[in-house]
Amino acid sequence: DAGVTQSPTHLIKTRGQQVTLRCSPKSGHDTVSWYQQALGQGPQFIFQYYEEEERQRGNFPDRFSGHQFPNYSSELNVNALLLGDSALYLCASSLQGKGVGYTFGSGTRLTVV
Amino acid sequence: AQSVTQLGSHVSVSEGALVLLRCNYSSSVPPYLFWYVQYPNQGLQLLLKYTSAATLVKGINGFEAEFKKSETSFHLTKPSAHMSDAAEYFCAVSAMYVDSGYSTLTFGKGTMLLVSP
Repeated sequence: DAGVTQSPTHLIKTRGQQVTLRCSPKSGHDTVSWYQQALGQGPQFIFQYYEEEERQRGNFPDRFSGHQFPNYSSELNVNALLLGDSALYLCASSLQGKGVGYTFGSGTRLTVV
Repeated sequence: AQSVTQLGSHVSVSEGALVLLRCNYSSSVPPYLFWYVQYPNQGLQLLLKYTSAATLVKGINGFEAEFKKSETSFHLTKPSAHMSDAAEYFCAVSAMYVDSGYSTLTFGKGTMLLVSP
């Protein structure tokens, strides 16, 4: 049973560029949440998608946007990259109504130069 | 709203010694509580979770945690540390939003566990 798959594993972008990160949830899960983990910090909640809609959003600017597809996979898009966007981006999947069953992927390490 | 405070950014123990990692939480609704472990350059692995059943929760790799409502604490312990336990540990709290059914995780800043031979 495949867990959460994230791609790519590593990415280097230039300030001002745009980036798209991808996540495939664990089989049977229908909800995807994205977290940003800066170096030396705990993960910070970005947003959560269910039924192809953004259901909850953390304290992140509109430069951060997302999408969920009919097969429950998800993308995280970040526009106008800043140096401060450099972080590990984690995707977590769960089953709606069963909020205690989060499964995390290994993350995408984004470096903005 | 929820928040988590992890006391001590670094904890050092000797191999075979007791491990105690502290976590205090704040939640406006009954919480679900979690401990995750993160090894270098990896994602988060769930150690254990409290979901309003037994207050003493046993997890993987010999870890356990006790939910104490009166102290708003959920400290993580292991009787005997192993070299392989060296990693970063995160405490997290979640709440089920009754009206919408959606829940999110709020993490602490993490505690790095160092194990010396």
